[in-house]
Amino acid sequence: KQEVTQIPAALSVPEGENLVLNCSFTDSAIYNLQWFRQDPGKGLTSLLLIQSSQREQTSGRLNASLDKSSGRSTLYIAASQPGDSATYLCALMKVTFGTGTKLQVIP
Amino acid sequence: EPEVTQTPSHQVTQMGQEVILRCVPISNHLYFYWYRQILGQKVEFLVSFYNNEISEKSEIFDDQFSVERPDGSNFTLKIRSTKLEDSAMYFCASSESKGAVGYTFGSGTRLTVV
Repeated sequence: KQEVTQIPAALSVPEGENLVLNCSFTDSAIYNLQWFRQDPGKGLTSLLLIQSSQREQTSGRLNASLDKSSGRSTLYIAASQPGDSATYLCALMKVTFGTGTKLQVIP
Repeated sequence: EPEVTQTPSHQVTQMGQEVILRCVPISNHLYFYWYRQILGQKVEFLVSFYNNEISEKSEIFDDQFSVERPDGSNFTLKIRSTKLEDSAMYFCASSESKGAVGYTFGSGTRLTVV
């Protein structure tokens, strides 16, 4: 059974700081990995999708990497802003979500 | 940008009542999914649906749950006899294909069972 863990569970950083969120998984037989953000009481917004044959994807200030052999993915956020405050979830297809990292960016 | 639409955004129902949660997936998508998130907990997979039948379901998706695509646009989740522990946010998602591309999620229906 696929287990997906995200560390840290919560993170508080001052505005402007670069940060890394971690996602680890136990079964490397995945189709792809997707990073989402979830604002309180809201739905899931897709940030980045990394297909199993890829090693990283970039979108604006976000960069996600995937290392299937070690069962890890990281989400790098550059120059964090208060609007980045949300819970970040990694999800492995097939269908297993991580535990989430709640990020607070302090202005 | 195409969206997955879910209605209602919030539903309150009495224990033992039947509820139907509705979703309109993106029109050219072929795979449909339901997830739920109990307050403060992980997002959990319930069921996937393709070609008018369930392709995969989790242990959570017991006989109280059913899904249907009654017409060409809607995808519904029915809970026959709601329990207090069914209170959660329910998310619908769709994708063009299985696994190769990402999922698009709706904004969710908050179900409160009283």
